[in-house]
Amino acid sequence: GQQLNQSPQSMFIQEGEDVSMNCTSSSIFNTWLWYKQDPGEGPVLLIALYKAGELTSNGRLTAQFGITRKDSFLNISASIPSDVGIYFCAGSNYGGSQGNLIFGKGTKLSVKP
Amino acid sequence: DSGVTQTPKHLITATGQRVTLRCSPRSGDLSVYWYQQSLDQGLQFLIQYYNGEERAKGNILERFSAQQFPDLHSELNLSSLELGDSALYFCASSEQGHNSYEQYFGPGTRLTVT
Repeated sequence: GQQLNQSPQSMFIQEGEDVSMNCTSSSIFNTWLWYKQDPGEGPVLLIALYKAGELTSNGRLTAQFGITRKDSFLNISASIPSDVGIYFCAGSNYGGSQGNLIFGKGTKLSVKP
Repeated sequence: DSGVTQTPKHLITATGQRVTLRCSPRSGDLSVYWYQQSLDQGLQFLIQYYNGEERAKGNILERFSAQQFPDLHSELNLSSLELGDSALYFCASSEQGHNSYEQYFGPGTRLTVT
């Protein structure tokens, strides 16, 4: 089945630094989504991408849908302590009445004040 | 707050038992998805219901079943529980139309099988 490779697995950064993480797939997706999960909570949708090459921002977060449709990137600028958590990429080829998300293993972000 | 609710928050039970997890989707969402999250397997899709009908199935064990009721809430039934079934179980919902790819997750149910 489809698999997503997400890297890095973990990051330890200083507050104020920029962060980059990415996700690659062995096959194409029509949609890429990025989620953040805090300990003991459900994943929260950050950004959804629908078009190859699309660049979308949500505050300090920017995500891109790769041209090949097999990858996606998430950047966080000027990190702050509340950015701590696990970031997941997810891909989908279906929506609405039939579909599910394929998730990466996550990138665990730690921010040192 | 995503608008998706799940009960109970925590569940501790013994091997061989049966439990039911409940999910209420966001108002107006017709699709409900169930996912299992464990440390070694990550987030794995189990099953999807759309307006009361099963629409997609993932790696769901035969011991597990789900249904969606006319009021659109869903229940995930886990039976003959094993130690390896201990995990976080999430429900997600999505709307119709263009944004139907976007799934909104509930807070999860943490199941511990002893």
